Amino acid sequence: DGGITQSPKYLFRKEGQNVTLSCEQNLNHDAMYWYRQDPGQGLRLIYYSQIVNDFQKGDIAEGYSVSREKKESFPLTVTSAQKNPTAFYLCASSKYGGSGANVLTFGAGSRLTVL
Amino acid sequence: DQQVKQNSPSLSVQEGRISILNCDYTNSMFDYFLWYKKYPAEGPTFLISISSIKDKNEDGRFTVFLNKSAKHLSLHIVPSQPGDSAVYFCAAKGGGSYIPTFGRGTSLIVHP
Repeated sequence: DGGITQSPKYLFRKEGQNVTLSCEQNLNHDAMYWYRQDPGQGLRLIYYSQIVNDFQKGDIAEGYSVSREKKESFPLTVTSAQKNPTAFYLCASSKYGGSGANVLTFGAGSRLTVL
Repeated sequence: DQQVKQNSPSLSVQEGRISILNCDYTNSMFDYFLWYKKYPAEGPTFLISISSIKDKNEDGRFTVFLNKSAKHLSLHIVPSQPGDSAVYFCAAKGGGSYIPTFGRGTSLIVHP
């Protein structure tokens, strides 16, 4: 079955440590996205990528970094510069970057907790 | 400044009744509107969408209505079922960007 796989589902980090969240899709989608969900804040866009080796900052990119070396993979690194990293992180992908409704398919999410 | 607003954080409905979830937007250039459903500790799943050239789209128990003059859309669920209990996100796309903008979500609780 095609889909998006995020790992790990739960992650604990000590302050000052960088952590990387994995996101892999086998939907042959071109565009991939990272969102962050906080209670009462909805989904906020961190980074997005429409093609391999290209990505753009979203609304809250500070303290995060990404790479897009393969079409299937879009890992997110939460760096020590992110002041409040405890959150639920969602990876998504979509087939087309432009026309139509651009329906996103989401992964199951990764819960990061900073101790 | 929120371009997509869901002003009701929560909604409680009796099983079998109608659930109406509302969404307002400010950007008149949005060309598609979408609703996603999210259970706790899971990713959102796409529910239904509507193009800005339409005023209604229906899929089974779910109907979305769009009022462009009021910049308002609503999702109707009839009849509501306990399994519909989830957070519903309104999203809009367009205005020069393919990236959807999400509202803050409305938590729907359907009581048996």
